[in-house]
Amino acid sequence: KAGVTQTPRYLIKTRGQQVTLSCSPISGHRSVSWYQQTPGQGLQFLFEYFSETQRNKGNFPGRFSGRQFSNSRSEMNVSTLELGDSALYLCASSFSGSPYEQYFGPGTRLTVT
Amino acid sequence: ILNVEQSPQSLHVQEGDSTNFTCSFPSSNFYALHWYRWETAKSPEALFVMTLNGDEKKKGRISATLNTKEGYSYLYIKGSQPEDSATYLCASVSGYALNFGKGTSLLVTP
Repeated sequence: KAGVTQTPRYLIKTRGQQVTLSCSPISGHRSVSWYQQTPGQGLQFLFEYFSETQRNKGNFPGRFSGRQFSNSRSEMNVSTLELGDSALYLCASSFSGSPYEQYFGPGTRLTVT
Repeated sequence: ILNVEQSPQSLHVQEGDSTNFTCSFPSSNFYALHWYRWETAKSPEALFVMTLNGDEKKKGRISATLNTKEGYSYLYIKGSQPEDSATYLCASVSGYALNFGKGTSLLVTP
């Protein structure tokens, strides 16, 4: 079974630009969650989608948004990038969300200059 | 406890030593606790999902216990090996979100 894939793996953007990250879950998984990891902060929950519906959102500004498609693939968008948005963005898929274990992708490393 | 806290922040042991780390989480409205292992340059990998008070789970040399009444979980590694070097994360479930601690970074040297 193929694992969770994320594209692109690395990205460099300039302040003020926007960016879209993509996540393809494991086949059969309908829940996709997104996390941000910055040095010293650990993994911070962004949002979770299930069957194209956002069920939970973390404490992030409205510049962070996401969506899920009918094939369970998910995208995350960050508008008006700030230097502090530089981070590793991980997505994770699971059968139907917590308490099921989550399977993480390799992440997208975003650098904002 | 409002957040998930893990201790120690880092640990350095010799090959063959046994070790353990602690995860503290909010005990009210408990639903589930996850443990993950995150090796450098890899993705976090699920170790255990624990839901019941008194739960004990084991995978090879790694085991975990859960106390939901007092809000803590212990992860034990018996006879640590260099390949056990990784960051170990715990996360409590809140709604459909996982709230992660900052992890315990374990280094096992030969």
